[in-house]
Amino acid sequence: GQNIDQPTEMTATEGAIVQINCTYQTSGFNGLFWYQQHAGEAPTFLSYNVLDGLEEKGRFSSFLSRSKGYSYLLLKELQMKDSASYLCAVSSSGGSYIPTFGRGTSLIVHP
Amino acid sequence: DAGVIQSPRHEVTEMGQEVTLRCKPISGHDYLFWYRQTMMRGLELLIYFNNNVPIDDSGMPEDRFSAKMPNASFSTLKIQPSEPRDSAVYFCASIGAGVGNEQFFGPGTRLTVL
Repeated sequence: GQNIDQPTEMTATEGAIVQINCTYQTSGFNGLFWYQQHAGEAPTFLSYNVLDGLEEKGRFSSFLSRSKGYSYLLLKELQMKDSASYLCAVSSSGGSYIPTFGRGTSLIVHP
Repeated sequence: DAGVIQSPRHEVTEMGQEVTLRCKPISGHDYLFWYRQTMMRGLELLIYFNNNVPIDDSGMPEDRFSAKMPNASFSTLKIQPSEPRDSAVYFCASIGAGVGNEQFFGPGTRLTVL
């Protein structure tokens, strides 16, 4: 099976930087997704990492270390609209490549 | 494209009634997924289809739940009889061009069973 761990909740200040961590245990790792989900809405895709390293996309960056079973999502210049749940999902051959989602991290951005 | 379409958006029903949730995936996508989301258990995969064929239904809670995909543009998730513990948000999602790609989620159906 797959085990994905994320902090339940984080708080940060508008304009700051926040890092949301995700650790996983799986067999046959294929890739790792990050999704954003605002309250009452559907998850939307943010990033997909297959190889080790940092991938930057505007204010959001995602990092992967396959050897450590670790990823993080980095959000810069936080805005109030970034308040949402951030879901880490892992794709692996052990799971037939179907992404398995973590419980999500609820990020609260305050002024 | 209009994205993944789900109906109804909200459903309130009484225990014991039959509930049918509907989903239209993005045209051309050959994978379709049904998820259930609750505060307690997060986002759980119930079942997924590839080219209209059910591949893995191991996440379906029990025999009260059933899902069909009669054609490439339509799927249903049925609960009969419904119970209060089935109250959740049910999402449908689709993927095109290979299972390792991003999933596109529908807006979800918020189900309340009284």
